[in-house]
Amino acid sequence: DAGVTQSPTHLIKTRGQQVTLRCSPKSGHDTVSWYQQALGQGPQFIFQYYEEEERQRGNFPDRFSGHQFPNYSSELNVNALLLGDSALYLCASSPGLAGIEQFFGPGTRLTVL
Amino acid sequence: AQRVTQPEKLLSVFKGAPVELKCNYSYSGSPELFWYVQYSRQRLQLLLRHISRESIKGFTADLNKGETSFHLKKPFAQEEDSAMYYCAPLWGGSARQLTFGSGTQLTVLP
Repeated sequence: DAGVTQSPTHLIKTRGQQVTLRCSPKSGHDTVSWYQQALGQGPQFIFQYYEEEERQRGNFPDRFSGHQFPNYSSELNVNALLLGDSALYLCASSPGLAGIEQFFGPGTRLTVL
Repeated sequence: AQRVTQPEKLLSVFKGAPVELKCNYSYSGSPELFWYVQYSRQRLQLLLRHISRESIKGFTADLNKGETSFHLKKPFAQEEDSAMYYCAPLWGGSARQLTFGSGTQLTVLP
């Protein structure tokens, strides 16, 4: 089991563009959570998906949206990119909504120019 | 609002010395509390969970509900303990989310 995988590893976009990040959860996990980690900060919760629905959402604008597929993989979409969206985006998976132990992916480094 | 504070951004200790990484939280309910660790060039991973009362890699963490603290301790630090440590309460109802502190970078000197 490769654990949680994320793609791409790095991404460079310009302001105003749109981006899609992808995540495959650990085998046996059905819940995916997304986090944004700015430089020097701890991860900030964006949202969580379970059974293809958004179940919890952090304090992020509607420009951030997501999707979960029947195979439990997930996408994070960010529209109208701002310079401040530059960060490491982490995906974590867990079995069920309780989120007792979350397994993290290596992250996608997004740079907005 | 839920809040987590890790007052030390950087902490250096010598090998064999005791280490304590501080964490304070504010939360209206009774969250579950976790410590996550990120070693150099590795992904974020769970170190320990307060409810299990385990000692992982010699680390323990005591939950003090009165002081709303969850400090991480180890009596004898090792060089391989050098890493970034995050305190993270888990809160919510049926769907729960982790709230991470800003982290403490621990360096254990030889």
